[in-house]
Amino acid sequence: QLQLQEAGPGLVKPSETLSLNCSVSGYSISSGYNWGWIRQPRGRGLEWIGHTYHSGTTYYNPSLKGRVSISVDTSRNQFSLSLTSVTAADTAVYYCGRRDGYNAFDFWGQGTLVTVSS
Amino acid sequence: QSGLTQPASVSGSPGQSITISCTGTASDFGTYNYVSWYQHHPGNPPKVIIFAVSNRPSGVSSRFSGSKSGNTASLTISGLQAEDEADYYCSSFTSDITVLFGGGTKLTVL
Repeated sequence: QLQLQEAGPGLVKPSETLSLNCSVSGYSISSGYNWGWIRQPRGRGLEWIGHTYHSGTTYYNPSLKGRVSISVDTSRNQFSLSLTSVTAADTAVYYCGRRDGYNAFDFWGQGTLVTVSS
Repeated sequence: QSGLTQPASVSGSPGQSITISCTGTASDFGTYNYVSWYQHHPGNPPKVIIFAVSNRPSGVSSRFSGSKSGNTASLTISGLQAEDEADYYCSSFTSDITVLFGGGTKLTVL
């Protein structure tokens, strides 16, 4: 059974870089599909951050472009999120997920809360 | 893109049917009509319940159905049950090759 698990610091200082990893088990990233990140600020809705194909082709939310980067490490079967120059507005639960060919995120990690605060 | 608009809340009694709308522009829905719906119980990750407008993943109850007319997608839940109380989100694949989520709808089962 495919499982995803987010990992990274739960607290990031303003202006610093938020970095998260998503470890995938039960499926080889290099076999296909897109792998992406979604976040949910407290009390608000879901926001797509971006996704990447196993080849490394990436797509990002235009509202975050310039600050966001998603990369894949097929040797470790994981993918990563980097968000630079964070502010309190980036405080959210961050989910990683697998995106299928119909634009549906069919498998999700449990989510990890990242708080931006000094 | 202007974003996908959903009602903030809907409610219904057990056994009733409810429909949640998701309105956007033609650009918001893109060329492929890849509209998905997610059920989100707080504290758990979202779960896809409809993909490609009207398709149910294996294991999802047939009480959930999706449709689309023009620039409005809809999720209908029939035979409401207490366990259906959750937040529901629509999602699309836009003509700009980006992914949009609607603002979410809180379903209350009375």
